[in-house]
Amino acid sequence: GAGVSQSPSNKVTEKGKDVELRCDPISGHTALYWYRQSLGQGLEFLIYFQGNSAPDKSGLPSDRFSAERTGGSVSTLTIQRTQQEDSAVYLCASYKYGELFFGEGSRLTVL
Amino acid sequence: SQQGEEDPQALSIQEGENATMNCSYKTSINNLQWYRQNSGRGLVHLILIRSNEREKHSGRLRVTLDTSKKSSSLLITASRAADTASYFCATDEGYNTDKLIFGTGTRLQVFP
Repeated sequence: GAGVSQSPSNKVTEKGKDVELRCDPISGHTALYWYRQSLGQGLEFLIYFQGNSAPDKSGLPSDRFSAERTGGSVSTLTIQRTQQEDSAVYLCASYKYGELFFGEGSRLTVL
Repeated sequence: SQQGEEDPQALSIQEGENATMNCSYKTSINNLQWYRQNSGRGLVHLILIRSNEREKHSGRLRVTLDTSKKSSSLLITASRAADTASYFCATDEGYNTDKLIFGTGTRLQVFP
């Protein structure tokens, strides 16, 4: 497809479970970003990948959060031992020529 | 942490009126961008203004940047009901980084 694809679009999980969120960026875009957006709030930066450089993880809220990007393309955001405060929409974006292209997000609900 | 803060947090206007949203940021930047988000969906890029530019236009959008005040404004002229959305500014942190930080957003409601 031509756009950024995220899956799952919705995920409901129980507190304490691990979840994986996937992002397929636009082909050829070398940078990839993850953000988190709680209901009615702004976007909170989590992590970004740029080419082969070490990722900027400065926004990850705790060591329960991790992300990887395989082959410079697909990225997975993993949240271990989920907590209720992790409930949010997780947005992925790829980047080229100064512009972010966003996916539709993965809505995570932790019960 | 939030680099930018928009004001107002919410704005309600009638169709045909102009809408002005402001963004303030904290550090030196290379460029500033504005994005739009329809409810519950991903964000769409509207316009980018570089730190050496003072004003930029795109259709009904006009963006200004004042680096001395670390602030930007987005003006939507002749608003339409379809402009109803949240608007966010995003900035880098200037020094050798493409890390983009978003502001808190302005929720715009345009009544027909």
